[in-house]
Amino acid sequence: AQTVTQSQPEMSVQEAETVTLSCTYDTSENNYYLFWYKQPPSRQMILVIRQEAYKQQNATENRFSVNFQKAAKSFSLKISDSQLGDTAMYFCAFMKHMGGDSSYKLIFGSGTRLLVRP
Amino acid sequence: DTGVSQDPRHKITKRGQNVTFRCDPISEHNRLYWYRQTLGQGPEFLTYFQNEAQLEKSRLLSDRFSAERPKGSFSTLEIQRTEQGDSAMYLCASSSQIGTRVYEQYFGPGTRLTVT
Repeated sequence: AQTVTQSQPEMSVQEAETVTLSCTYDTSENNYYLFWYKQPPSRQMILVIRQEAYKQQNATENRFSVNFQKAAKSFSLKISDSQLGDTAMYFCAFMKHMGGDSSYKLIFGSGTRLLVRP
Repeated sequence: DTGVSQDPRHKITKRGQNVTFRCDPISEHNRLYWYRQTLGQGPEFLTYFQNEAQLEKSRLLSDRFSAERPKGSFSTLEIQRTEQGDSAMYLCASSSQIGTRVYEQYFGPGTRLTVT
């Protein structure tokens, strides 16, 4: 069974600084996807960034980038130029590559609460 | 694209009562998921529909839980004889079947259930 571990329950960063959130996972699969989701207080979960395991290049979305280390099963999220609106719970998630009608269910970590200080 | 909507947003019920939640996915999405999120934890998968067919259920979905998606549009999640341990946020998500969009799940705001 796949597991996702986020070892940092809470993080804090000064506005405009850079912060890195950690995530490790365990799987015997070779083909899978990894995600970072953001859940602002009392608001719905939104997708931040996605990484395909077969791609060596790290994904980037504006101020958000990942460091994907497949052999180490590590998937960290770097947020550059942090903004107050980045304050949220961040969840790392794993999705096994399936085919056809199979479920593409997400397996989430326990989350990291990020506070951006003004 | 109006997003995934869920109703109600909050539900308080007494132990032993039945409750039903509704999820309306993004209109062209044929895949629909239910997750449960307890305080301080990440969401856990409950069940998955493709169109009207329920294709996977988690062991978390006890026999008191039932989900339906008639006509492949909206979905309902019913909990019978609620217990205090059912208190959680129930999240619905949907995704497209097309290409790489199958990997991108869009979440609704959730229904927060409190069982007293």
